Amino acid sequence: QLQLQESGPGLAKPSETLSLTCTVSGDSILTSAYYWAWIRQPPGKGLQWIGSVYYTGSADYNPSLMSRVTISADTSKNQFSLKVTSVTPADTAVYYCARLHRSTWYFDHWGQGTLVTVSS
Amino acid sequence: DIQMTQSPSSLSASVGDRVTITCRASQDIFTYLSWYQQKPGRAPKLLIYAASSLQGGVPSRFSGGGSGTDFTLTISSLQPEDFATYHCEQSYRTPYTFGQGTKVEIQ
Repeated sequence: QLQLQESGPGLAKPSETLSLTCTVSGDSILTSAYYWAWIRQPPGKGLQWIGSVYYTGSADYNPSLMSRVTISADTSKNQFSLKVTSVTPADTAVYYCARLHRSTWYFDHWGQGTLVTVSS
Repeated sequence: DIQMTQSPSSLSASVGDRVTITCRASQDIFTYLSWYQQKPGRAPKLLIYAASSLQGGVPSRFSGGGSGTDFTLTISSLQPEDFATYHCEQSYRTPYTFGQGTKVEIQ
């Protein structure tokens, strides 16, 4: 059974870099059928797609975040990661990793999410 | 970016009611539209993809329709476990974007 699990610090200081990892079990990220994505949700607000990575390392990003975001894949560990630089309190959110089905383009499996708070 | 607008933002309904939520895209997205259910403190769960295809394991009381710019999610007979927030999402073009959500509450 496919499972995705986010991990990383729950607190970051303004101007620092936020780093999260998603560990995938029950399936390999080394597949042409899916992309692997990060999505976030500020408290009480809607969902925002951050970006997606293919197993080759090719990534797409939300232009609103692109200058500060890097998403990478580590096929040897069956993980993919998110880095957001120069964080501000506006980056406080629950961060989800998810699997993006490549042919019909939907997010069919999600991690449980991890809250990251940006505060000094 | 493609803007997704849901209506209503919230609604109150009773068990057994038929409920319809609308999602409008700011441009033609064909049928690249998904619906997700989210309960408090939980991750979203895929209900419908490609506008009208039911994800495996999702009860048949959920149905989706529409194409182009106007879409609907219908719950034919609301059950206690259906009280949640529902999100639509377009995957026609990046950046993928979500509606603001519709909260379905108990009347």
